[in-house]
Amino acid sequence: NAGVTQTPKFQVLKTGQSMTLQCAQDMNHEYMSWYRQDPGMGLRLIHYSVGAGITDQGEVPNGYNVSRSTTEDFPLRLLSAAPSQTSVYFCASRDRPNTGELFFGEGSRLTVL
Amino acid sequence: AQRVTQPEKLLSVFKGAPVELKCNYSYSGSPELFWYVQYSRQRLQLLLRHISRESIKGFTADLNKGETSFHLKKPFAQEEDSAMYYCALSRGSNYKLTFGKGTLLTVNP
Repeated sequence: NAGVTQTPKFQVLKTGQSMTLQCAQDMNHEYMSWYRQDPGMGLRLIHYSVGAGITDQGEVPNGYNVSRSTTEDFPLRLLSAAPSQTSVYFCASRDRPNTGELFFGEGSRLTVL
Repeated sequence: AQRVTQPEKLLSVFKGAPVELKCNYSYSGSPELFWYVQYSRQRLQLLLRHISRESIKGFTADLNKGETSFHLKKPFAQEEDSAMYYCALSRGSNYKLTFGKGTLLTVNP
């Protein structure tokens, strides 16, 4: 089992460029989510999905888009990158609500110049 | 809305000393509480959850509903405990987890 796989691990963008962070899980989890991790701010939820075709906004959704066409994949799109989006991004999936464990990817470090 | 507060950004202790990482939450219902840990150059992983009532790597955490706290404790800290620790809350039939801002624990030799 690979668990949760994110690509790329590192990326440098210029302001205004767009890109997609890929996330895939092989555990057949219905729930998938994207967090950003910033110093002093902890983990903040960007977007999440409770199944194929179902997505919703988290705490900090502006500037990001998601889609969920399959159970396995949950890409995060930056439409027009801004320096404020410089962060470490984590994809995570969860096996069940309430008491379930959240499984994280290794993270993607994004720098926007 | 639920909120998780970790009042200490940084915590430094010596090896063998007791350690307590504080976590307070605000939620009117009955939440599920978790501790996640991120060791250097590793992915975030679950350390323990309230419902399991288990001790992992010597760490324990007790849910105190009166004080709305879920503090993480270890009687004798080890150098390998140095990491970032996050407290998290989940509620009802919801999948979402709300995290605190984290506490960076450093255990000095």
